[in-house]
Amino acid sequence: DAGITQSPRYKITETGRQVTLMCHQTWSHSYMFWYRQDLGHGLRLIYYSAAADITDKGEVPDGYVVSRSKTENFPLTLESATRSQTSVYFCASTGTGTYEQYFGPGTRLTVT
Amino acid sequence: RKEVEQDPGPFNVPEGATVAFNCTYSNSASQSFFWYRQDCRKEPKLLMSVYSSGNEDGRFTAQLNRASQYISLLIRDSKLSDSATYLCVVGLMDSSYKLIFGSGTRLLVRP
Repeated sequence: DAGITQSPRYKITETGRQVTLMCHQTWSHSYMFWYRQDLGHGLRLIYYSAAADITDKGEVPDGYVVSRSKTENFPLTLESATRSQTSVYFCASTGTGTYEQYFGPGTRLTVT
Repeated sequence: RKEVEQDPGPFNVPEGATVAFNCTYSNSASQSFFWYRQDCRKEPKLLMSVYSSGNEDGRFTAQLNRASQYISLLIRDSKLSDSATYLCVVGLMDSSYKLIFGSGTRLLVRP
């Protein structure tokens, strides 16, 4: 029972490079979310998706792109990484009719 | 003003103590309420939902006061393993299913 997984778990990249963070869930949850967590800010929503091919911006979407071609996958791409995108990224999902979100283990990204 | 506000702590208590955390939220349209627990460098995990009538799960009791827009979490007989950050979480119950997270209250339980 894998639940929700993220890869890679740790990533170091250079400024200007494109990086894709993967998120995969096995529950067939309709809704998926990407958050970043930084000291002093708590969890901030980057993008979310209500279903395959339906995505929308959250609180801090600038510099990020998402896609959702399959229900179970929700990749997050940093098109041109900046140092300010150094953070811990969490993916989460929830099923229709419930607001309880379940989180993946996170990806710790460092942009040098 | 933050949508969900919590005292960051840390709350430093001895084992066996009772400790209470409070949280306020600004949007009166909020309809769903949760407490999540987050251990250091780990993902947030759902601790309990919070209902208007109040609810209890073992040593944990959650209360909601809609009139004051206030949520609380009471932990009785604290254990060392309760040491973590507790996140107050609020949802609007709209079609986006988004949640708003507080920045968290850190609890340290000492022997």
